[in-house]
Amino acid sequence: GESVGLHLPTLSVQEGDNSIINCAYSNSASDYFIWYKQESGKGPQFIIDIRSNMDKRQGQRVTVLLNKTVKHLSLQIAATQPGDSAVYFCAEKGGTGQFYFGTGTSLTVIP
Amino acid sequence: DAGVIQSPRHEVTEMGQEVTLRCKPISGHNSLFWYRQTMMRGLELLIYFNNNVPIDDSGMPEDRFSAKMPNASFSTLKIQPSEPRDSAVYFCASSLGQGQQPQHFGDGTRLSIL
Repeated sequence: GESVGLHLPTLSVQEGDNSIINCAYSNSASDYFIWYKQESGKGPQFIIDIRSNMDKRQGQRVTVLLNKTVKHLSLQIAATQPGDSAVYFCAEKGGTGQFYFGTGTSLTVIP
Repeated sequence: DAGVIQSPRHEVTEMGQEVTLRCKPISGHNSLFWYRQTMMRGLELLIYFNNNVPIDDSGMPEDRFSAKMPNASFSTLKIQPSEPRDSAVYFCASSLGQGQQPQHFGDGTRLSIL
C-alpha cells in the first residue's frame, strides 16, 4: 500500500544566496529555543540557541530571530554553501526541561 | 572530547526478539534523552532522565519499551518483544542542567525489525 509520511517543507537556494528557514512554536511560555542541523545518517547537530529575553542572536554565518508576539522563530544562513544542505529543526523547551522538535525543513543548496 | 556514544549503530533482528540499545552520555552531563525518528512521525521524545531519575516517560509507546539509567554514564533502551513497527532510528542525547543548555545527540541506532 501507499506509504504516507510527514510532508517535510523544502527549500532550494543557489550557492552564495542567503537562506531563511521558519518555524512556528506552540507554547507562549517557552523561554528557550534551539536550531539543529541534521545531515543524512547523523544525529541532529546544535547550531544556535536563543532565550526568550532576546529577539536576535548571531553566530558564524547564522542568525536566529525570535518573535514572541506571533510565536515565530527563524534561522538565517548567510552565503549558503553546499555543506549547508541538510534538514533543519527548531526545538522549544518544555515545562520540565524536555524539548519538543518541529517536523523539520529540508534545505538543498544548488551549486 | 567524546560526544554521545550509541551502540550498536545498526541492528537487524526478527520480530519477537529482545532489543537493547545503549548510550553513553557526555561526561558531566546530567540530563539524558531517548528519541525515536521515523518518516511517519518525525523526531519523538520517548523518555527523559535527570540525575539518573526518569522525569518524563510519557512518550514511551507501550509496555514493551523500557529504559534504565543505572548510573550517570550509561543508559539502555529495551524493546521486548520487538515488532516491525518499532523499526526506526533511535537517538540518545545528553545535556547539562535541566533544559537550560542545548542537547548533544549521538549518531543513532538504526533498528530494523523483520
